[in-house]
Amino acid sequence: GEQVEQLPSSLIVQEGASVLINCSYTDSASVYFPWYKQEPGKRLQFIIDIRSNMERKQNQRLTLLFDKKTKHLSLHITATQPGDSAIYFCSANMNTGGLSGKLTFGEGTQVTVIS
Amino acid sequence: DAAVTQKPRYLIKMKGQEAEMKCIPEKGHTAVFWYQQKQSKELKFLIYFQNQQPLDQIDMVKERFSAVCPSSSLCSLGIRTCEAEDSALYLCSSSRGDQDTQYFGPGTRLLVL
Repeated sequence: GEQVEQLPSSLIVQEGASVLINCSYTDSASVYFPWYKQEPGKRLQFIIDIRSNMERKQNQRLTLLFDKKTKHLSLHITATQPGDSAIYFCSANMNTGGLSGKLTFGEGTQVTVIS
Repeated sequence: DAAVTQKPRYLIKMKGQEAEMKCIPEKGHTAVFWYQQKQSKELKFLIYFQNQQPLDQIDMVKERFSAVCPSSSLCSLGIRTCEAEDSALYLCSSSRGDQDTQYFGPGTRLLVL
């Protein structure tokens, strides 16, 4: 089945600096890639997504890049704030013709923003 | 639309007991998913419902869990006989379709003693 690898597993960044999280997947049938943020005690929050027919998507301080050829994604967060401290998850969804919409998740990246 | 709701938030069971948790998906969402998360690590897919019908599930769910969506506004996940390894956060999500954004509930944290 699909496997998603995410790196790094954790990082610490100074407030105002940028963060880069890398994600790779194995199954070329994956076509939809949502990212989520999980803060302690809070529900998993959708932050940005991209489909396989796109190469780049931006949402305010978030930029998501997608390389279909190398099966690689990268999430760039600029001008980090303390509120960005969280675990970030990359996920992949395969096109199964409606038989399953399950997401396969990476292990997460713990981002800590220090002042 | 109201956010995905899950109850209870916390559940403590003894080994061998039965556990049940519930999920109310967002109104209008026809796809419902359950995931298991241990120690803030990656979420593990358990089962997927589309229009209240189970279409995909892992073997562990077939063997030891019971999951139903009796209506579009209520789903439940049960563990017939709890084991220590079942201690985890159980997350429910819903979406409009199988490849649409999934929105997650706050989860039910199960502790099996």
